[in-house]
Amino acid sequence: QVHLVESGGGVVQPGTSLRLSCAASGFTFSHSPMHWVRQAPGKGLEWVAVISPDGNSGTYGDSAKGRFTISRDNSMNIVYLQMNSLRPEDTAVYYCARERGSSGRAGYFDYWGQGSLVTVSS
Amino acid sequence: DIQLTQSPSTLSASVGDRVTITCRASQSINSWLAWYQQKPGKAPSLLIYQASNLDGGVPSRFSGSGSGTEFTLTISSLQPDDLATYYCQQYHSYPGTFGQGTKVEIK
Repeated sequence: QVHLVESGGGVVQPGTSLRLSCAASGFTFSHSPMHWVRQAPGKGLEWVAVISPDGNSGTYGDSAKGRFTISRDNSMNIVYLQMNSLRPEDTAVYYCARERGSSGRAGYFDYWGQGSLVTVSS
Repeated sequence: DIQLTQSPSTLSASVGDRVTITCRASQSINSWLAWYQQKPGKAPSLLIYQASNLDGGVPSRFSGSGSGTEFTLTISSLQPDDLATYYCQQYHSYPGTFGQGTKVEIK
């Protein structure tokens, strides 16, 4: 069965960096676009970024553009989110999610990880 | 960006009630809409895709309808396990925006 397990969250100071990882298993990882979605405490869901199956293309939401980088290692079945210049408003649970198929659209998500909490605070 | 507006934000209903949640898009998204259920403290899970297709393993009391700019999620007979927040998401175009959520409470 499909499993997605995030790691790398924690408490960091504003302006610093953090890298999240998401280890995938149970499916052909190199065939699936992978996404990051975040949820601030008590708030709704916000799409962050997507990476193409081959890792050559990433697309970002406005809050991530210029600060976050999504990447993947198809030999290790891991997707990453490098977050730089972190701000208090980046405090959230970050979920990785698998896109079903590869529709050429923005995609919807059939499997989600359990989430990794990132807290940005001085 | 395409905006999604869900209503109501919160609803309280009794076990066995029929419950309807509405999601309106700021422009036509054809049928490129998904619905998710998020139980307290858990990750979201997919209920419905392409507006009306029930995902595997989802109870048949859930259904989705609509196209263009107006969509609904219906629970035909509310069960205690349905206590959750429900989100719509459009995947017509990037960014794949979510509605603000509808919290369903059991009376």
